[in-house]
Amino acid sequence: DAKTTQPPSMDCAEGRAANLPCNHSTISGNEYVYWYRQIHSQGPQYIIHGLKNNETNEMASLIITEDRKSSTLILPHATLRDTAVYYCIVRPANAGNMLTFGGGTRLMVKP
Amino acid sequence: GAVVSQHPSRVICKSGTSVKIECRSLDFQATTMFWYRQFPKKSLMLMATSNEGSKATYEQGVEKDKFLINHASLTLSTLTVTSAHPEDSSFYICSARGFGDHTEAFFGQGTRLTVV
Repeated sequence: DAKTTQPPSMDCAEGRAANLPCNHSTISGNEYVYWYRQIHSQGPQYIIHGLKNNETNEMASLIITEDRKSSTLILPHATLRDTAVYYCIVRPANAGNMLTFGGGTRLMVKP
Repeated sequence: GAVVSQHPSRVICKSGTSVKIECRSLDFQATTMFWYRQFPKKSLMLMATSNEGSKATYEQGVEKDKFLINHASLTLSTLTVTSAHPEDSSFYICSARGFGDHTEAFFGQGTRLTVV
């Protein structure tokens, strides 16, 4: 019972913005959208999270649609080091912070 | 962000032996720690959830007697793979969170276990 849908892979040119989409059409009102990434043979790294407002930090921006059924993670200037699998995760507010990982999107940043 | 340290990063052991993996939260107190395993080119699968001072909760299909979890303090959880077999070879990852409902989880760097 996957709660999010992401494309399995994407390519992006180095220096360009990488826009990673995520569909979460069954999201409920108290569920947050989290993004993590996993570089090869490393543990996942937290990127950003949000409830309904757009969020920005030093790593990325998160754009959530008004109906909250989808979101986009934006890496404004992708570098080769951003090559990783990006996971979009929907988490209830009181789920003990258990994160359920789907397939993610494998982003390949190319020179 | 907060730091979670996992040790060892890589271990090779013989079939039938036991291996202990440590997960430490270095700059925060972790009320809950999670253990995941990941097979090549697959996503992370939750194995168990442990809360400090209480027994771990295992996911369906995960043998609690084979994967022993101890969460004796707010900064340390251990996973022991007992009587390891080659099919236990995998990437094991721990995650820790602090207090509060929306505190993001931080992950260790993972342990690559190879059973020969």
